[in-house]
Amino acid sequence: QVQLVQSGAEVQKPGASVKVSCKASGYSFSTYTMHWVRRAPGQGLEWMGWIYGNDNIRYSQKFQGRVAFTSDTSASTAFMELRSLGSQDTAVYYCVARSAAGDFDHWGQGTLVSVSS
Amino acid sequence: SYELTQSPSVSVSPGQTATITCSADKLGDKKVCWYQQKTGQSPVLVIYQDGNRPSGIPERFSGSNSGNTATLTIRGTQALDEADYYCQAWDGSSVIFGGGTKLTVL
Repeated sequence: QVQLVQSGAEVQKPGASVKVSCKASGYSFSTYTMHWVRRAPGQGLEWMGWIYGNDNIRYSQKFQGRVAFTSDTSASTAFMELRSLGSQDTAVYYCVARSAAGDFDHWGQGTLVSVSS
Repeated sequence: SYELTQSPSVSVSPGQTATITCSADKLGDKKVCWYQQKTGQSPVLVIYQDGNRPSGIPERFSGSNSGNTATLTIRGTQALDEADYYCQAWDGSSVIFGGGTKLTVL
């Protein structure tokens, strides 16, 4: 079965960076796009962007310049790095493997990133 | 920028029909999907491409999209349907989520 397993919770200080990993199994990793979505406390879902392959990437304008997506196809693992963290970045971050048609849609378990001094 | 508007909350009695809407300019020209997120869990896709149900999603969930409004309908609502629901559409190559609707079953 399809599984996306994310790295564990993180606590970071303001101004630091965080890198979250997402290891996929149960499907051909290179076939589908990997999206990153977050949900801050008391807020709704917020799309951050997607990566397809190693260099086909789209970032949400909100995060452009502060976020970087990478992937290691040999390890079926995607990464999301967010820099210059502030308290507003405290959220649960999800990776989502999706097809363009929407009929393939699988979420990781989420990674809580807490930003606090 | 393109925005999807949802009512913050909807309440329904058990066994009744819940209707959750998502509105935007010419939304009917786009394909909409719906997610259910229960407290402490990852979101689950319940409708894709306006009205298709993924395998494992109960038949009581249905969707439609026309004009400026997409609608998620839950017939015979059950207590376990209580959750936050989000509509989602594509704006070019970017993904847009609605603000979410909290469904209360009481």
